[in-house]
Amino acid sequence: DAKTTQPTSMDCAEGRAANLPCNHSTISGNEYVYWYRQIHSQGPQYIIHGLKNNETNEMASLIITEDRKSSTLILPHATLRDTAVYYCIVRAYTGRRALTFGSGTRLQVQP
Amino acid sequence: GAVVSQHPSWVICKSGTSVKIECRSLDFQATTMFWYRQFPKQSLMLMATSNEGSKATYEQGVEKDKFLINHASLTLSTLTVTSAHPEDSSFYICSAAPAPEGTEAFFGQGTRLTVV
Repeated sequence: DAKTTQPTSMDCAEGRAANLPCNHSTISGNEYVYWYRQIHSQGPQYIIHGLKNNETNEMASLIITEDRKSSTLILPHATLRDTAVYYCIVRAYTGRRALTFGSGTRLQVQP
Repeated sequence: GAVVSQHPSWVICKSGTSVKIECRSLDFQATTMFWYRQFPKQSLMLMATSNEGSKATYEQGVEKDKFLINHASLTLSTLTVTSAHPEDSSFYICSAAPAPEGTEAFFGQGTRLTVV
C-alpha cells in the first residue's frame, strides 16, 4: 500500500469548512484513497473513498488531484462533533487485507 | 453503513486471568475479520486476521498463544487474551468488510481492557 503523509494537527472554526490534506505521491493506478476518522475512545468510522473522480456523500467531499498524488477531505460545515483524528489510507480495491493506519490528522473544531 | 458490534465495551480483569472479546457483524456475513490494538496516543496496529473456518494469521511480534482468535461463524470472531498482564491493557478494535472484496471496512466500537 502506498504511503500517505498528513499534517499532525489542524484547527477549524465551528461552522466553517474543514479541509484536510493528504499526500500520496507513490499511489498506484489500482489504489483507492480511503478516509476514516476516530473520535476519542471509539472505533474508526468510514467517511468516504475514491479512485480518481471527486466524490461526495452526506458526510464529506473528497477531492483528488488529476495526477492522484494528493487529495483533500472537505467537511463543509464543521461541528464540535467532528473533532477527531482523521486517517487517509491508500490501498488497492482488491483482496481481503486489513487497512494500515498512519498517524492521521488531529482535527480540533473550535467553538 | 454496515454494523460491526463489539462486546464488552470495557473490561477490567486481574493479572493472570483470561478475557474474551466478541466481534459480530450484525447485518452482513464476514469471512474475514481483523483485530487491531491501540495504545494511548498511538495509531491502530493490526494484530491478526481472522478467517472463518481456519486458523488466524498473526502479525509479526504478536503471540498467537497469548491472543487466541476463533472465527467459528460468518458473523462472529472472538479474541481471547490469555494470562493477561498489565502491559496487555489497551484498546482492542475489530473490523470486517461486507462482500464483495474490497468494500470499505467497518469497525466495532472497541473494547477497553484494563489489567490490574
